[in-house]
Amino acid sequence: SQKIEQNSEALNIQEGKTATLTCNYTNYSPAYLQWYRQDPGRGPVFLLLIRENEKEKRKERLKVTFDTTLKQSLFHITASQPADSATYLCALDDTGNQFYFGTGTSLTVIP
Amino acid sequence: KAGVTQTPRYLIKTRGQQVTLSCSPISGHRSVSWYQQTPGQGLQFLFEYFSETQRNKGNFPGRFSGRQFSNSRSEMNVSTLELGDSALYLCASTRTRGAVTGELFFGEGSRLTVL
Repeated sequence: SQKIEQNSEALNIQEGKTATLTCNYTNYSPAYLQWYRQDPGRGPVFLLLIRENEKEKRKERLKVTFDTTLKQSLFHITASQPADSATYLCALDDTGNQFYFGTGTSLTVIP
Repeated sequence: KAGVTQTPRYLIKTRGQQVTLSCSPISGHRSVSWYQQTPGQGLQFLFEYFSETQRNKGNFPGRFSGRQFSNSRSEMNVSTLELGDSALYLCASTRTRGAVTGELFFGEGSRLTVL
């Protein structure tokens, strides 16, 4: 069956450290993988997109990697801040017409 | 540029009733998709509309339906509500179909509580 799994429902880290979130998928062949941020009671907000032929993408303190052999994406937030506390969702497309989302990882950055 | 607007933001219904949720996409966006978000299941795809046609449908019962109007605004309807329909319903728009153009733009959602 198809699955998208994100590491541990909750992740707590100290301010200033690097947060690493994992997204593993099974039985999908995505051309794209995306990461979204969701704050409580709000809709998700797009952060980064990475294509299957890209190994790594960066945007300010964010870095995403995409390994189609391992069927895994890693999402890094460097020099984390309390304002980075939120739920992070990975999403992928399979047919080009529909997004599939993981259940998310709740990140808490402790001052 | 205005974002995706969903109404109502909150609503409470009782079992057996029906509900209609509305979504106004970003101007110029022709694709609207709907998602159900619950704590246990995460975001589950309901359906996608493009140019007034349903292009894709998720694995939900027929009680869940939707439509899109010529101005790209979309509505979804849930009939014969069940307790398990309590969720945050999210609408997202993109300029064209699918993932090829990049990001989904989400509204703030409609929080439905079924008593």
